[in-house]
Amino acid sequence: GIQVEQSPPDLILQEGANSTLRCNFSDSVNNLQWFHQNPWGQLINLFYIPSGTKQNGRLSATTVATERYSLLYISSSQTTDSGVYFCAVGNDYKLSFGAGTTVTVRA
Amino acid sequence: NAGVTQTPKFQVLKTGQSMTLQCAQDMNHNSMYWYRQDPGMGLRLIYYSASEGTTDKGEVPNGYNVSRLNKREFSLRLESAAPSQTSVYFCASSDPGQWSTILYFGPGTRLTVT
Repeated sequence: GIQVEQSPPDLILQEGANSTLRCNFSDSVNNLQWFHQNPWGQLINLFYIPSGTKQNGRLSATTVATERYSLLYISSSQTTDSGVYFCAVGNDYKLSFGAGTTVTVRA
Repeated sequence: NAGVTQTPKFQVLKTGQSMTLQCAQDMNHNSMYWYRQDPGMGLRLIYYSASEGTTDKGEVPNGYNVSRLNKREFSLRLESAAPSQTSVYFCASSDPGQWSTILYFGPGTRLTVT
């Protein structure tokens, strides 16, 4: 199956800081999504981004499909951004998830 | 809309017992999925149903069976629970189309097998 590596595994931020999360994958894909899992366990889709760049408020994402990586940018972080960020990649229905980046934002 | 709902929220089983996890979605999505989440391993696909009437194995199907009861409902059955099946189980749905196949997740079921 497709291998997915996320980095860094853990990130501690002061409120207001910016950060970049990375997702590397081992094969060509037509489906790439970023998710946020909040401290209560709920998984929320942030982006569907198999290629290109998208922005949603303080979050943005870029996928360079030819080089097999995606980046998630968090700007002006807030305590509500805490949780685990997952990258999921694959083709059509089968997505492989990375192990996630745990983000802690301190007030 | 309630989105994706799962029952129960929590369950404790003894080794060898059976149970069915229920999932329903009210978004008229064609595709539904069952994932399990173990600490430090992300989520792994157990089974999926691309459309009503079809089911296919995912990455870790051993020890599980599924039923796509109708377009709304997709259940996951453990016939003989084992401690290795202790996990958090998530149901998801999507409506694959030309522009996106965004996954929508339910709240999860935390299962402990003793």
